[in-house]
Amino acid sequence: GAVVSQHPSRVICKSGTSVKIECRSLDFQATTMFWYRQFPKKSLMLMATSNEGSKATYEQGVEKDKFLINHASLTLSTLTVTSAHPEDSSFYICSARTRLAGGYNEQFFGPGTRLTVL
Amino acid sequence: KQEVTQIPAALSVPEGENLVLNCSFTDSAIYNLQWFRQDPGKGLTSLLLIQSSQREQTSGRLNASLDKSSGRSTLYIAASQPGDSATYLCAVSSTGGFKTIFGAGTRLFVKA
Repeated sequence: GAVVSQHPSRVICKSGTSVKIECRSLDFQATTMFWYRQFPKKSLMLMATSNEGSKATYEQGVEKDKFLINHASLTLSTLTVTSAHPEDSSFYICSARTRLAGGYNEQFFGPGTRLTVL
Repeated sequence: KQEVTQIPAALSVPEGENLVLNCSFTDSAIYNLQWFRQDPGKGLTSLLLIQSSQREQTSGRLNASLDKSSGRSTLYIAASQPGDSATYLCAVSSTGGFKTIFGAGTRLFVKA
């Protein structure tokens, strides 16, 4: 089946540093990738939608200069948290959308990256 | 703007009970609806995906239904087991941009 990986799975960094999270579709080409954020004991919040080769579309309230998204290829999207602060600590999950046989689109989710900013 | 609501927020049942989790959404123009399971500190496990043209999907002890016109979906879990304890998330994908909006989840605890 379709697999989405994220790297790293866990990262701890100091305030002020930047952290890059990779999202890869391993066995399919993703027309669109999505980035979500999950606060403790809360649901997932869509941050942005990215299409290969174009700028990401950010949801209202998400700072695009802070959360840089690059969708360099049909199998790779990266999220960079710039100048990280403790309030950026969260669980970040990506998903990749593809068209399946039969014409249906489906999203496949990565395992998530837990970011802790000290 | 699509909003997804899940009821109840938390549920505690004895082992063996059949239970129903509810999900409602405000915009019926959906592409599909998906139920996920999330264990504490872990990622998402997809349970069932219902396309907008379908009315239900079944997998083992799980059955999910979709009533698009009323904006509702239910996840039925038969003969619950302690291993079913987790948070269950309902997610609705819209037509067009395929944005997926998640509900807040139902935290389920099945007592042995």
